Amino acid sequence: AQTVTQSQPEMSVQEAETVTLSCTYDTSESDYYLFWYKQPPSRQMILVIRQEAYKQQNATENRFSVNFQKAAKSFSLKISDSQLGDAAMYFCAYRGNNAGNMLTFGGGTRLMVKP
Amino acid sequence: DAGVTQSPTHLIKTRGQQVTLRCSPKSGHDTVSWYQQALGQGPQFIFQYYEEEERQRGNFPDRFSGHQFPNYSSELNVNALLLGDSALYLCASSFRTGVETQYFGPGTRLLVL
Repeated sequence: AQTVTQSQPEMSVQEAETVTLSCTYDTSESDYYLFWYKQPPSRQMILVIRQEAYKQQNATENRFSVNFQKAAKSFSLKISDSQLGDAAMYFCAYRGNNAGNMLTFGGGTRLMVKP
Repeated sequence: DAGVTQSPTHLIKTRGQQVTLRCSPKSGHDTVSWYQQALGQGPQFIFQYYEEEERQRGNFPDRFSGHQFPNYSSELNVNALLLGDSALYLCASSFRTGVETQYFGPGTRLLVL
């Protein structure tokens, strides 16, 4: 079974600075998808960024980018120019190519942004 | 364009009771998945519905069952509630299964006393 590990329960960053959240995963599949979701106190899970394993280029969405290391099974999220609104729980998630819609989530990292 | 909606937002039940949670998918979506998120943990996949049938199931007992209606909305039913069923229940929708990204609703917070 696939597992997703987020080793940082909490992280903090100064407003306007850069922070990197870590995620590792375990799988025997060669084709899969990786996601970062943000969950603010409102509870709604919001997609931040998505990466297809067959793509070598790292995904980027505005201030959010990933460092995808397939051989190391690592998928970190970098947030640049951090804003107060970035404060939330961040979850890394894995979906196998033959897993239908089943997402396997990590335990989450709580990000605090200091003004 | 309405996103994924869930009802109710909060619910309190006692042990042994039964509960039904509801989800309406985002417009244009036909696939609904349910997740359980215990406090302080990541969500865990319960099951997925597509074309009114359960297509995939996570490691949850038969007390957890569901249904999908012709309009693609879905219900999650939990029988014989246990204290450990207290959690946030999230619904996610997508178009078809597979590569499409899932969009989540705001969840239903269930407390079992």
